Amino acid sequence: DAGVIQSPRHEVTEMGQEVTLRCKPISGHNSLFWYRQTMMRGLELLIYFNNNVPIDDSGMPEDRFSAKMPNASFSTLKIQPSEPRDSAVYFCASRRGTGTNYGYTFGSGTRLTVV
Amino acid sequence: TQLLEQSPQFLSIQEGENLTVYCNSSSVFSSLQWYRQEPGEGPVLLVTVVTGGEVKKLKRLTFQFGDARKDSSLHITAAQPGDTGLYLCAGIQGAQKLVFGQGTRLTINP
Repeated sequence: DAGVIQSPRHEVTEMGQEVTLRCKPISGHNSLFWYRQTMMRGLELLIYFNNNVPIDDSGMPEDRFSAKMPNASFSTLKIQPSEPRDSAVYFCASRRGTGTNYGYTFGSGTRLTVV
Repeated sequence: TQLLEQSPQFLSIQEGENLTVYCNSSSVFSSLQWYRQEPGEGPVLLVTVVTGGEVKKLKRLTFQFGDARKDSSLHITAAQPGDTGLYLCAGIQGAQKLVFGQGTRLTINP
């Protein structure tokens, strides 16, 4: 099992540019989560999907952020236009089911720096 | 305002000592999980506690869920340098929404 795969691992971009982060969940996992981690705010849930459908996007900070899950094996998080305050590590996680005993498997993250 | 408050936020102790990390909330959770995160990696699940008062052991780590399912603790016995890392508690709201505490950054000195 390759785990949750995120790309790129590092991204440096200029303010105002569009940024797209990618995630491949574990095969057979039907829920996918996007998190952002900063020193100040810790890990924040941005959005999550069940069976490719967005369920809760209340954590998405602004309209500049959007996420899609066109199929069970791929999701994107897009920031347009990017700003320096978006600099953070973005994690994707997947989960097999909704029972309380199911764990969340995280990818290694994408470290985004907006200059 | 954090839904889950962890304490302490930083802890540096000598190898062989014992320690306890606390995770507190005013909210009730259907279950609570503990994760460990190392630099450059995502959090890795250590344990899930579901029942109020539940105690789970993982080698030298003991996890306890409060009777009211609002708080939890992680106790490490005879800490080793390999235990160094960021320890995160996380509560599941409803069926799916996992919310994290700020974490406890633990350093074990040889």
